[in-house]
Amino acid sequence: EAGVTQSPTHLIKTRGQQATLRCSPISGHTSVYWYQQALGLGLQFLLWYDEGEERNRGNFPPRFSGRQFPNYSSELNVNALELEDSALYLCASSFTTGVHNSPLHFGNGTRLTVT
Amino acid sequence: SQQGEEDPQALSIQEGENATMNCSYKTSINNLQWYRQNSGRGLVHLILIRSNEREKHSGRLRVTLDTSKKSSSLLITASRAADTASYFCATDLLKTSYDKVIFGPGTSLSVIP
Repeated sequence: EAGVTQSPTHLIKTRGQQATLRCSPISGHTSVYWYQQALGLGLQFLLWYDEGEERNRGNFPPRFSGRQFPNYSSELNVNALELEDSALYLCASSFTTGVHNSPLHFGNGTRLTVT
Repeated sequence: SQQGEEDPQALSIQEGENATMNCSYKTSINNLQWYRQNSGRGLVHLILIRSNEREKHSGRLRVTLDTSKKSSSLLITASRAADTASYFCATDLLKTSYDKVIFGPGTSLSVIP
């Protein structure tokens, strides 16, 4: 069974540009979570998608947005990049959280560097 | 402020010793999970303990949950160098309509050969 895959693994952008990060969940998983992990810090919750809809978002500005496609894959877009957006962006998937007891399966992340 | 916070922030032990990490949280939860992250990689799920469970074992891992104190502990017995990683507790908030999984800042464990 293929795990959660994220692309690209590394992304270098300049300030003011836009970045698009992609995530493919494990087959059968309908929930996708996005987290930001700045260097040496914990995970900050960004977005949660389930069944194609945004269910919740963390305390991030609107320039962080995303979507979930009919095949449950997801895209995270970051507009007007700032230097402090440099971080490891992690995607995770799970079965629908209506079960409340489903662990998250993580990809290896996209390392975004903003110069 | 964080829903879950691990303690200590960093821990260094000799191979073969036991490592104990603690997690405290603030609000009622459905379950609590522990994850491991090797440097620069994604997180790996270790163990999930439900709010009505008090203790759970998986190999060399032992997790306890005390909902009255809103705390959990992760014990790794007979540690190995390969256990060197960051360990995170994660909680999902008990809400009626939606929830999200919140991670603490993590404990960095170094196991010295």
